[in-house]
Amino acid sequence: AQSVTQPDIHITVSEGASLELRCNYSYGATPYLFWYVQSPGQGLQLLLKYFSGDTLVQGIKGFEAEFKRSQSSFNLRKPSVHWSDAAEYFCAVVPSNAGNNRKLIWGLGTSLAVNP
Amino acid sequence: KAGVTQTPRYLIKTRGQQVTLSCSPISGHRSVSWYQQTPGQGLQFLFEYFSETQRNKGNFPGRFSGRQFSNSRSEMNVSTLELGDSALYLCASSLEVGELFFGEGSRLTVL
Repeated sequence: AQSVTQPDIHITVSEGASLELRCNYSYGATPYLFWYVQSPGQGLQLLLKYFSGDTLVQGIKGFEAEFKRSQSSFNLRKPSVHWSDAAEYFCAVVPSNAGNNRKLIWGLGTSLAVNP
Repeated sequence: KAGVTQTPRYLIKTRGQQVTLSCSPISGHRSVSWYQQTPGQGLQFLFEYFSETQRNKGNFPGRFSGRQFSNSRSEMNVSTLELGDSALYLCASSLEVGELFFGEGSRLTVL
C-alpha cells in the first residue's frame, strides 16, 4: 500500500542549530512531494513542493528539501533554526499518475521543539 | 486575496447531536477538501469536492457528509455525534495538485 513515513515523532533542537526532518514514501513511481508546516492553533501552510527537475528545492522561511529517488526520501532541511520554527511538520505525496484521484497521502508528522 | 475561512472556529456539542461546518475557499479555487485532525490519528482525509461534485472520499462512516455550492463554498455535516468525533476539522482549497491552502480549522468538542 502507498504510504508516507516520518520516522521521527518528536525532535528538539537548539536555536541556531541545523535541522533535518526525514520523510520516506513507498510508491512505484516518483510521486509529487510536499512539506507542510502547522504552527500551534493554526491550519497548515505549504513550505515547498517537488514535481520534477532539480532534486533540491527551495521553500519559504529558509527551508529546503532534497529528493533522493534511490532512497525514496524527501528530507526537509534548514541550516539555522529560529524559535519561531517550533511547529508540526508534515510530509505528503500525491501519485504522479493518479489522474483525478489526486488526494494527498500524509505522514503522521514530526513535532519540532526549539530550545533557546 | 482573502484566505480560506472556516466557521465556526470552536463549538461544543453533545453526543447524538449533529453539526454543520462551513468553509469559504480562496476566490477562484474550485476544489475544496476536508480533513479531520486528532492527536493520535494525524490528518485523515474526509472528502474532496470540485465544481459541486464529490471527487474523492475517505474512509469515514456515512454520518459524515459534505456538499459544495455553485460559489465553491462548502459545508460538511456530522450527524449523530460520538465522543470520538472530537477533533480539529480542517478545510483546504486548491488550484493545483497537492497545493492546499488551509483554513484555521473548526475545533469540535463532543461531550
